[in-house]
Amino acid sequence: QVQLQESGPGLVKPSETLSLTCTVSGVSVSSGSYYWSWIRQPPGKTLEWIGYIYYSGSTNYNPSLKSRVTISVDTSKNQFSLRLSSVTAADTAVYYCAKVEGGVYFDYWGQGTLVTVSS
Amino acid sequence: NFMLTQPHSVSESPGKTVTISCTRSSGSIASNSVQWYQQRPGSSPTTVIYEDNQRPSGVPDRFSASIDSSSNSASLTISGLKTEDEADYYCQSYDSSNHWVFGGGTKLTVL
Repeated sequence: QVQLQESGPGLVKPSETLSLTCTVSGVSVSSGSYYWSWIRQPPGKTLEWIGYIYYSGSTNYNPSLKSRVTISVDTSKNQFSLRLSSVTAADTAVYYCAKVEGGVYFDYWGQGTLVTVSS
Repeated sequence: NFMLTQPHSVSESPGKTVTISCTRSSGSIASNSVQWYQQRPGSSPTTVIYEDNQRPSGVPDRFSASIDSSSNSASLTISGLKTEDEADYYCQSYDSSNHWVFGGGTKLTVL
């Protein structure tokens, strides 16, 4: 059974770096068949794709966030991670990690974690 | 980049059929596949349609979808509405650089 679980601080100060980890079970992040992605959803708003990573380390980011985003993968821990720098209140959102099937759609999602940016 | 525009809300009675549209602002709707996600309150999204009209296993055949090049839009149709279908629905597609784009979401009320 595939499961994804986000973890990380729920509160981040403005101008600091948001860091989240997604722990994957039931499938290897080293599998060449899947991408691993981060998506966020500000309270009451729509979903926003942040980016994805392939097991090889190749990445693709949302152009609107690209200058502040880094997604990395740790195959030894079967995890992938998100770093978002220079955060502001506009980055307050529920952050989801997800597995991408066939490069086409998200077939498994984490439960999401709320990150609030506030001093 | 392009935008995907959805109606803010739709409502229909149990047992009826409802259709949610998703209009692409630029570029052809047919150039990249469209996916549809259902998000019930307090839950993570789940996929109900992928690659324009394919249903993942476990999604009932009451859910169907299509694309219409003449209106440059995609549509999700839910027939035999049930109260459990009440949720937010999001369409999603890609641009030529494989950047993923979501629509604004449609709140479906089954009254």
